[in-house]
Amino acid sequence: DAGVTQSPTHLIKTRGQQVTLRCSPKSGHDTVSWYQQALGQGPQFIFQYYEEEERQRGNFPDRFSGHQFPNYSSELNVNALLLGDSALYLCASSYGQGYSNQPQHFGDGTRLSIL
Amino acid sequence: DAKTTQPPSMDCAEGRAANLPCNHSTISGNEYVYWYRQIHSQGPQYIIHGLKNNETNEMASLIITEDRKSSTLILPHATLRDTAVYYCIVRYLNSNYQLIWGAGTKLIIKP
Repeated sequence: DAGVTQSPTHLIKTRGQQVTLRCSPKSGHDTVSWYQQALGQGPQFIFQYYEEEERQRGNFPDRFSGHQFPNYSSELNVNALLLGDSALYLCASSYGQGYSNQPQHFGDGTRLSIL
Repeated sequence: DAKTTQPPSMDCAEGRAANLPCNHSTISGNEYVYWYRQIHSQGPQYIIHGLKNNETNEMASLIITEDRKSSTLILPHATLRDTAVYYCIVRYLNSNYQLIWGAGTKLIIKP
C-alpha cells in the first residue's frame, strides 16, 4: 500500500520563476494538506484541499495556490519565487475533511532551493 | 496563539524507555493530541493520537493526564533509530483543527 508520494524530490529555481509541486495521497485518503518547513523549524500550514476545493488556508500570500484533481492528487504552485521560499514542502493526506480526528500522513517532501 | 510546550532536547540510553513530556494547558472539549516524529531529511511520521484515554500501538504509548493539560509519549525500548525530532500537536478549535507545529523535542538515543 503506497503512502503519500511527492515529486520532484529536489528542485532548484531562480528568483521570479514559478514552480509546481505534485502530491499523490495515500490510498483511501481524500483530503490533502500542504506545509512549508524552513530549516530547523516545524512545518507551517499552507492550505488544505477537499472535494477539489481549497477549504482552509494558513498565513501565506496569494503567490501560493493549489489544485486538487478528481483522483484526489494535488498540486502546489508558487509564483514569483523569492529567496525566502527556499524550504522543504510537505504534502499530507487524510480521510475526511479537516474536522475529522483521523491523522494526517506525510510524504517525504520536495526540497526547493531558490538561487 | 494556542500551542504545546515541549523541552527542546532530551537524551535516552538505548534499550531504556524514552518518556517525552508535553504541556497543552489550553486544551478543551474534543481537541485531540497527536504525536509525530521527523527523522532528518524525511517527512513527519505519525506515531499516535488520543483524546482522553491512554492509547497504545506498536510504536508507542500515549499517557494523557486526567485534566488533559499534559501528556507523555513513551517509547518502551528506545533504539538508535528512534533518534528524531518529536512533535506534540493539539488540533485546536480556534485553529480550525489544523496542525499547528512547534519546535518539538530533539530526542537523542545514546548507545
